[in-house]
Amino acid sequence: DTEVTQTPKHLVMGMTNKKSLKCEQHMGHRAMYWYKQKAKKPPELMFVYSYEKLSINESVPSRFSPECPNSSLLNLHLHALQPEDSALYLCASSQVVAGVSNEQFFGPGTRLTVL
Amino acid sequence: GEDVEQSLFLSVREGDSSVINCTYTDSSSTYLYWYKQEPGAGLQLLTYIFSNMDMKQDQRLTVLLNKKDKHLSLRIADTQTGDSAIYFCAEIYSGTYKYIFGTGTRLKVLA
Repeated sequence: DTEVTQTPKHLVMGMTNKKSLKCEQHMGHRAMYWYKQKAKKPPELMFVYSYEKLSINESVPSRFSPECPNSSLLNLHLHALQPEDSALYLCASSQVVAGVSNEQFFGPGTRLTVL
Repeated sequence: GEDVEQSLFLSVREGDSSVINCTYTDSSSTYLYWYKQEPGAGLQLLTYIFSNMDMKQDQRLTVLLNKKDKHLSLRIADTQTGDSAIYFCAEIYSGTYKYIFGTGTRLKVLA
C-alpha cells in the first residue's frame, strides 16, 4: 500500500465552526506532514510529526491544531478560521532513515472553503 | 531566503520533448525531487536524484543535475496530453525534513 488518504475531499465551514481533517497512511512511515497550498503556488509546510511527536511548527496560528494519535494517523483540528485560510490542505508521509531519499508521499488533499 | 526558481509556463506539442528547469538554493542539498500536480489533486512523486549523481533516467523521464550551477532539469520524452500539469522541483537540506519547493512550472501539451 503506497497510498496516503485524506478525508474529507471537500469541506465548507463558517468562521465559528470546529472541524477536523484526517490523514492516514499504512506504509510504515514515521514522519507525517501538513501543508497548505494556495492556488498556483507551491505547498507551504505547516507541521511535521516524527515518531508521533511534533518536531516542526512553522509558526502556524493556533486556530490550526495538529494531532498524531498513532503512527498511521494525522489530524488537523480547525477552529475559528478566517476566509484567507481557504486553500488545499495536503498531508504527506515519509520514512525517517538516515542516508536514503526519504521522499514524501502526498495525499489527494482536502479543499477547504471558509465562509 | 532565496527562492527555488522555475520558469512559470511551458507549452509543447504532443510527441515533442519537454524540458523543465529549476535553479535551487543550497549546494548542500542531498536529494532533489520532481513532483507533478494535476488540477485539484495532490502531488505525485515522479523521480528524484541524489546530489552525487549527474543524471538519472527513468523511462520517459531524464533528470540532469549541475551542482556547480545549482541547476536541475527534467526532460520528458514523447510528451503526451496527460503530462499537462504543474511540475514542482524540491530540495531537502541534509538532516532536515523540510522540503524547499520551487515556484512551479505549468506544462501545457497541445494536441
